[in-house]
Amino acid sequence: DQQVKQNSPSLSVQEGRISILNCDYTNSMFDYFLWYKKYPAEGPTFLISISSIKDKNEDGRFTVFLNKSAKHLSLHIVPSQPGDSAVYFCAASAWIYNQGGKLIFGQGTELSVKP
Amino acid sequence: GAVVSQHPSRVICKSGTSVKIECRSLDFQATTMFWYRQFPKQSLMLMATSNEGSKATYEQGVEKDKFLINHASLTLSTLTVTSAHPEDSSFYICSASRVLLGEKLFFGSGTQLSVL
Repeated sequence: DQQVKQNSPSLSVQEGRISILNCDYTNSMFDYFLWYKKYPAEGPTFLISISSIKDKNEDGRFTVFLNKSAKHLSLHIVPSQPGDSAVYFCAASAWIYNQGGKLIFGQGTELSVKP
Repeated sequence: GAVVSQHPSRVICKSGTSVKIECRSLDFQATTMFWYRQFPKQSLMLMATSNEGSKATYEQGVEKDKFLINHASLTLSTLTVTSAHPEDSSFYICSASRVLLGEKLFFGSGTQLSVL
């Protein structure tokens, strides 16, 4: 049972435009969500996170939106740059159940930003 | 910032041999480390939680006798893939945290295991 889902395996965006990556989850115990960027044969790099008590968190070009009722989160990158091309994973954890360190990852979305 | 070092980055071995992967927290003490596995084009799957000084906690479906985890010190956890077979070929990644907050979870660079 896939508790965290990224239904788009790939996304192609023009440089300077907005990239929107989506993620859905099924487990209502999750209370902390993260986005990671990953290159092949490398470990994930943390991008941005959001607690379930918030609905938006912004850090530079990256904004994460959380819709708890829909169990949906999204990562917006604006403006997109060619260097943003990578695989993006969303992840969730359940701090309330002392499971904060255990991340459940989505399948990833490969973002390609065209110059 | 905090860094997690993972070694080796790549290993190729014959079927039936055992392979040890090390995960070190370089500038902080990690009471808990996590081991993940990623097959090509798939998600990172949590395999086990490694606790210093106690037995690791394995996720459902992960064979504890196959994947031996030792967390002997606050800066080192090891994963040993015993009697490796081609189906064990995967990308293994560890993570460690000083404070269990999401952004403080640092990942190693991963180990690509290829079993011939």
